[in-house]
Amino acid sequence: AQSVSQHNHHVILSEAASLELGCNYSYGGTVNLFWYVQYPGQHLQLLLKYFSGDPLVKGIKGFEAEFIKSKFSFNLRKPSVQWSDTAEYFCAVIAYRDDKIIFGKGTRLHILP
Amino acid sequence: DTEVTQTPKHLVMGMTNKKSLKCEQHMGHRAMYWYKQKAKKPPELMFVYSYEKLSINESVPSRFSPECPNSSLLNLHLHALQPEDSALYLCASSQDWTSGRASYEQYFGPGTRLTVT
Repeated sequence: AQSVSQHNHHVILSEAASLELGCNYSYGGTVNLFWYVQYPGQHLQLLLKYFSGDPLVKGIKGFEAEFIKSKFSFNLRKPSVQWSDTAEYFCAVIAYRDDKIIFGKGTRLHILP
Repeated sequence: DTEVTQTPKHLVMGMTNKKSLKCEQHMGHRAMYWYKQKAKKPPELMFVYSYEKLSINESVPSRFSPECPNSSLLNLHLHALQPEDSALYLCASSQDWTSGRASYEQYFGPGTRLTVT
């Protein structure tokens, strides 16, 4: 069965620090990859997605992610975080010919002002 | 308009009640989904509707009954729920879901926070 691993369950950073959240998946074929964010009390929003093409994907609010096929990874990055980035971040994968999206367990990011 | 709306925002119901959750999207999406999300956990898929037909039921108990009256609306009928069913219920939609391939990004609604007493 496909699976998605997010290495960090809880990350605490100070404002202006750089961020990298890890995501690895287990499927060896073609995949569609996503990062979703859930701000406190708000609904899941799509941050960015990768379907094909340039493996470096830019999303909203200054986030980017890099797809490294050889490492089965899709890590999320932001050079300088803000207090408003405090949220839960979910990596998600759809394997080609699969019928549903698989979510990682999430990383809770807390930014100190 | 990339919005998925859900009503009500909050619902408290007893174990003998019957209630319904509603979801609506006007993006022309042909696939709609119900998820259950417990605190600090990722969403868990319950049902997938494609072109108004039930395509996936993830072994959800029959006390949850989905309905898709048309391409814009999705309901979840609740009856005889248990306290452990208390959770955030999320609706999502995507452009398509064909032949068992869920290739498109999903847009989520704000959810209905359900408490079963």
